[in-house]
Amino acid sequence: KQEVTQIPAALSVPEGENLVLNCSFTDSAIYNLQWFRQDPGKGLTSLLLIQSSQREQTSGRLNASLDKSSGRSTLYIAASQPGDSATYLCAVRGGSARQLTFGSGTQLTVLP
Amino acid sequence: DAGVIQSPRHEVTEMGQEVTLRCKPISGHDYLFWYRQTMMRGLELLIYFNNNVPIDDSGMPEDRFSAKMPNASFSTLKIQPSEPRDSAVYFCASSFGRSEQAFFGQGTRLTVV
Repeated sequence: KQEVTQIPAALSVPEGENLVLNCSFTDSAIYNLQWFRQDPGKGLTSLLLIQSSQREQTSGRLNASLDKSSGRSTLYIAASQPGDSATYLCAVRGGSARQLTFGSGTQLTVLP
Repeated sequence: DAGVIQSPRHEVTEMGQEVTLRCKPISGHDYLFWYRQTMMRGLELLIYFNNNVPIDDSGMPEDRFSAKMPNASFSTLKIQPSEPRDSAVYFCASSFGRSEQAFFGQGTRLTVV
């Protein structure tokens, strides 16, 4: 059974810092990995999708990498802003199961 | 496209009552997922459909929960009878194929008192 772990559970940084969020998964036979953002009381917004054949994806200040063989992904946020404050969720899809399996998330606070 | 649409956004009901949550996936998507989110357990898959057929319902907590997808544009999740421990946010998501990104609805916040 696929298990997804996110470290750290919470992170607080001053505005302008670059930061890295970590995600690890136990079954490397995945189709893809997706990073989401969730604001309090809101739904999930997809940030980046990395296919199993890809090593990284970039969108604006966000860069996600994937090392399938080691079961790891990182989300790099450059020049963080208070508006980046949210919970970031990592989810993997694939193997014998075609659903998304989620980590427990990293709660990010960017201080002005 | 308006995205995945869920209704109602909020539902407060008394223990023992029947609750029906609704979802309209993005047009053309062939996968539909129902998730439940709680503080204690995070996001858990309840059931998912492929081409309107239930594929994996192993996450459905018990017989009180049932889900249907009568056509490609509509799905329901029903809880009968509801219990306070069912209180959570229920999300519906859809995707096209198994390799494309999944899109989530805004969720239904269910409170059972």
